[in-house]
Amino acid sequence: ETVLTQSPGTLSLSPGERATLSCRASQSLNRNYLAWYQQKPGQAPRLLMFGASSRATGIPDRFSGSGSKTDFTLTISRLEPEDFAVYHCHQYDNSPQTFGRGTKVEV
Amino acid sequence: EVQLLESGGGLVQPGGSLTLSCAASGFTFSDYAMTWVRQAAGKGLEWVTAISGSSDSTWYADSVRGRFTISRDNLKNTLYLQMDSLRAEDAAVYYCAKYKMVQGWYIDYWGQGTLVTVSS
Repeated sequence: ETVLTQSPGTLSLSPGERATLSCRASQSLNRNYLAWYQQKPGQAPRLLMFGASSRATGIPDRFSGSGSKTDFTLTISRLEPEDFAVYHCHQYDNSPQTFGRGTKVEV
Repeated sequence: EVQLLESGGGLVQPGGSLTLSCAASGFTFSDYAMTWVRQAAGKGLEWVTAISGSSDSTWYADSVRGRFTISRDNLKNTLYLQMDSLRAEDAAVYYCAKYKMVQGWYIDYWGQGTLVTVSS
């Protein structure tokens, strides 16, 4: 199965700073079928990005996704207080679908 | 507004069984494939199983194949997960989720989750 490795495990930043989260796949995602989700404590994940770089409906443009094949990045240009959360990447290119272990963005 | 409401979680002994339900609303349920994803305490998300809109296709993770059964009732707009021969490692929050089937199948909506505890 395709293993997704997210780094760093924890990112300590302040509001207004830029966050760069990495997700690396053990096998190529040839169609770049990679999604990102945000999860806050006690809440369900929320879709942020799909197809590596397409923002989901209602997601602010400070969130952007990039990358291809095995290396993907989620960037939050300027952190807002509500952005402190755990971020998961998810590949749906290869079977079975798999998720990364998450990156926690903390103050 | 899409809503997914899971129920049926609880405490079960190893080797026991449990059935989870997920009531869906806000979309045409039968048009969409659905999935169960779980998250053990302090761990990442793990895809468990999925089912097509018409129930003609199902898929399972190796870790649950032969023990879990996914099903749906399109008249009741409800998704189910029958879990048998439960193990300690099956303990997790189980999320019901809806697929968006455009350029691949990704999850666009999640339920709030239901907690399954496996312990004697």
